[in-house]
Amino acid sequence: KAGVTQTPRYLIKTRGQQVTLSCSPISGHRSVSWYQQTPGQGLQFLFEYFSETQRNKGNFPGRFSGRQFSNSRSEMNVSTLELGDSALYLCASSPSGGGTEAFFGQGTRLTVV
Amino acid sequence: GENVGLHLPTLSVQEGDNSIINCAYSNSASDYFIWYKQESGKGPQFIIDIRSNMDKRQGQRVTVLLNKTVKHLSLQIAATQPGDSAVYFCAEALQAGTALIFGKGTTLSVSS
Repeated sequence: KAGVTQTPRYLIKTRGQQVTLSCSPISGHRSVSWYQQTPGQGLQFLFEYFSETQRNKGNFPGRFSGRQFSNSRSEMNVSTLELGDSALYLCASSPSGGGTEAFFGQGTRLTVV
Repeated sequence: GENVGLHLPTLSVQEGDNSIINCAYSNSASDYFIWYKQESGKGPQFIIDIRSNMDKRQGQRVTVLLNKTVKHLSLQIAATQPGDSAVYFCAEALQAGTALIFGKGTTLSVSS
């Protein structure tokens, strides 16, 4: 069974640009959550999607958004990039909910210059 | 190879020792707890979970203990191996289907 796949693995963007990251969950999993990981703040929850609906949202500005498609694949978008957005963005999928046996992808390393 | 009571950012043990990694969680209403292992360049890997109606759960070479009275979670690794070297995170959730709140990680270094 294939794991969680995130693309791209690495990205370099300039301040002010926008970026879209992609996540393909484990087959059969309907919940996809996104997390930001930085050395200073650790792992922080961004949002969770279940059956194409945002079910939970963390404390991040509106520049961070996401969506989920009917095949459970998810994308997150960050607009007007800031230097502080440089981080490892992790996607986790689970069968029914963000808190139950969430399996993570390898992440997308975003660097904003 | 024990680290009991306090969260420490790093833990160094000898191969074959038992390791104990501690975590203090924040919300007494949390119902679900998970331990993850993260190796360099990889995403967190699920190790073991436990629900709030339990105080102990065992897996292969790992045991998770939950003390709800003091909001404390620990991960015990038996016969620690060099491949266990990684950063370990605990996470809590109010219930299934809600967001995971991660604790500060502990870097485990195993020397042979």
